[in-house]
Amino acid sequence: NAGVTQTPKFQVLKTGQSMTLQCAQDMNHNSMYWYRQDPGMGLRLIYYSASEGTTDKGEVPNGYNVSRLNKREFSLRLESAAPSQTSVYFCASRVYSNQPQHFGDGTRLSIL
Amino acid sequence: GESVGLHLPTLSVQEGDNSIINCAYSNSASDYFIWYKQESGKGPQFIIDIRSNMDKRQGQRVTVLLNKTVKHLSLQIAATQPGDSAVYFCAASDSWGKLQFGAGTQVVVTP
Repeated sequence: NAGVTQTPKFQVLKTGQSMTLQCAQDMNHNSMYWYRQDPGMGLRLIYYSASEGTTDKGEVPNGYNVSRLNKREFSLRLESAAPSQTSVYFCASRVYSNQPQHFGDGTRLSIL
Repeated sequence: GESVGLHLPTLSVQEGDNSIINCAYSNSASDYFIWYKQESGKGPQFIIDIRSNMDKRQGQRVTVLLNKTVKHLSLQIAATQPGDSAVYFCAASDSWGKLQFGAGTQVVVTP
């Protein structure tokens, strides 16, 4: 079972470059989430999609955009990368509220 | 605002002993709580969850206790093994059903 798959696993960008982080889940889950994790800190929610066709801002949305392409896929885009966006990004999904979220293994992003 | 906190940043446990990891939450409306385990270079892995209508739930070698009166939950790991070395996160649902994560406790199992 693949679960939640994130690509790429590692990426180095220069300030001002753009890129899209990809996430796909094969569990037929309704909700999908993007988090960032910084050293010594818990996960902070960037954006989420409660169901196909909807997206909402989380705690730290500035500098990011998302697309819920279909039920399986939820992408995160950095339009103009900044060093403050250096982080590990995790995608998660769950079938509905008050059920566990299942996480991918993350994308480690460095912005120089 | 809401916060989810952990009492100890690092917990050192001898192999075979029981581990107890504590977590406080601030939102009295939280009705769902989860514990995750995160190993180095990996994503958080679900361990156990509990709803607010329960005060205890047991899994394989793990028990979660919930005290709604003082807004506290704990994770107990029985007979801690080297493979239990990881960072453990608690999370509590907010008013909108989204999860608020604590900063994590590093559990180090010593031989």
